[in-house]
Amino acid sequence: NAGVMQNPRHLVRRRGQEARLRCSPVKGHSHVYWYRQLPEEGLKFMVYLQKENIIDESGMPKERFSAEFPKEGPSILRIQQVVRGDSAAYFCASSRSGTTGRNIQYFGAGTRLSVL
Amino acid sequence: AQSVTQLDSQVPVFEEAPVELRCNYSSSVSVYLFWYVQYPNQGLQLLLKYLSGSTLVKGINGFEAEFNKSQTSFHLRKPSVHISDTAEYFCAVSDRGGSEKLVFGKGTKLTVNP
Repeated sequence: NAGVMQNPRHLVRRRGQEARLRCSPVKGHSHVYWYRQLPEEGLKFMVYLQKENIIDESGMPKERFSAEFPKEGPSILRIQQVVRGDSAAYFCASSRSGTTGRNIQYFGAGTRLSVL
Repeated sequence: AQSVTQLDSQVPVFEEAPVELRCNYSSSVSVYLFWYVQYPNQGLQLLLKYLSGSTLVKGINGFEAEFNKSQTSFHLRKPSVHISDTAEYFCAVSDRGGSEKLVFGKGTKLTVNP
């Protein structure tokens, strides 16, 4: 009964490279959320996706960041041309559809991105 | 817009002592409320949630929280803590019937000393 799976757990990139973070939701969950945790801060919402649709991207930086959740396969958070300020822990969460179920999000262990 | 304030950034306690971690929220609409725990270098684990019904909710590991609408609070309590409860605790809210996103507080680091 696997939970939310994120990989890689740790990712090191040099400035200007691309970072791809993957998230496989709990089996049967069709809603995926991405959050970013900066040092000494709580988690900040980035984007909310359902299969093949972006529902709310109000927390996404306007440039360099994109997210997708294809019909098949994991959700991907992509950061182009990374900068040192992108260094953070990125968490993915998932929930199932339904009125009550939609409001309980289960989190993965996160990807810790370090930009050199 | 919603916001969450966790009044204490760090709470040190001795083992077997009671603990209360405070959480206040601000919202113009009705909300759902959550407490999550994060152990070092791990993801967040749901401790408990308030969706509707009884304002006193019980969660895992002996934790409970009480929703107080008039004071817009959702404080987390445990009558007797263990060393293994050392972790960071996050309070979060989401908008009923609106955006699904969680708005988190900055977290409270609970340190349980022997």
